[in-house]
Amino acid sequence: GAVVSQHPSWVICKSGTSVKIECRSLDFQATTMFWYRQFPKQSLMLMATSNEGSKATYEQGVEKDKFLINHASLTLSTLTVTSAHPEDSSFYICSATQIAGLNYNEQFFGPGTRLTVL
Amino acid sequence: GENVEQHPSTLSVQEGDSAVIKCTYSDSASNYFPWYKQELGKRPQLIIDIRSNVGEKKDQRIAVTLNKTAKHFSLHITETQPEDSAVYFCAASMGGGKLIFGQGTELSVKP
Repeated sequence: GAVVSQHPSWVICKSGTSVKIECRSLDFQATTMFWYRQFPKQSLMLMATSNEGSKATYEQGVEKDKFLINHASLTLSTLTVTSAHPEDSSFYICSATQIAGLNYNEQFFGPGTRLTVL
Repeated sequence: GENVEQHPSTLSVQEGDSAVIKCTYSDSASNYFPWYKQELGKRPQLIIDIRSNVGEKKDQRIAVTLNKTAKHFSLHITETQPEDSAVYFCAASMGGGKLIFGQGTELSVKP
């Protein structure tokens, strides 16, 4: 099956610093990648949709200047949390898919990145 | 925008019993409905999905039903086992592959 990796799997940083999370599709080309945030005992909340070579589309309430997303190739998307604060501490999960018209393919999820901001 | 409601939030069953989780969605344009199982600290795993042109789909002990008119879909797990214990999420997609998740159901299967 399709494999999506994330790096790092966990990170601890000081308040005010920036953190970059990578999401890679290892054995397929992902036309679209999605970034989710999940707080403890809560659901996955979609943050943004990332298409290769174009600007990400952010969900309502997600600050695009704080959560910078870059999808430079068909196998790599990055999420940078800028000026991180304790309230940004969460589990960040990416997913990747190939979209062919209206026939949606399965989204393949990365293993997630646990971010703790001190 | 699309909204997905999921019930119950917690479900406890005895091993061997059936478990049913229900979801409703708001946007009639939604056409793809996956179900995920998530263990603590792990990624969501797709367990079954259904598209809007199908009313029911079954895979061994797991089945999903879809009622497009009522805009709801359900997950049925039969002969539950302790290893089925996890958090289950439904989701709906209406375009661009974007998934909107339900709130999750914590299933506990007691031996």
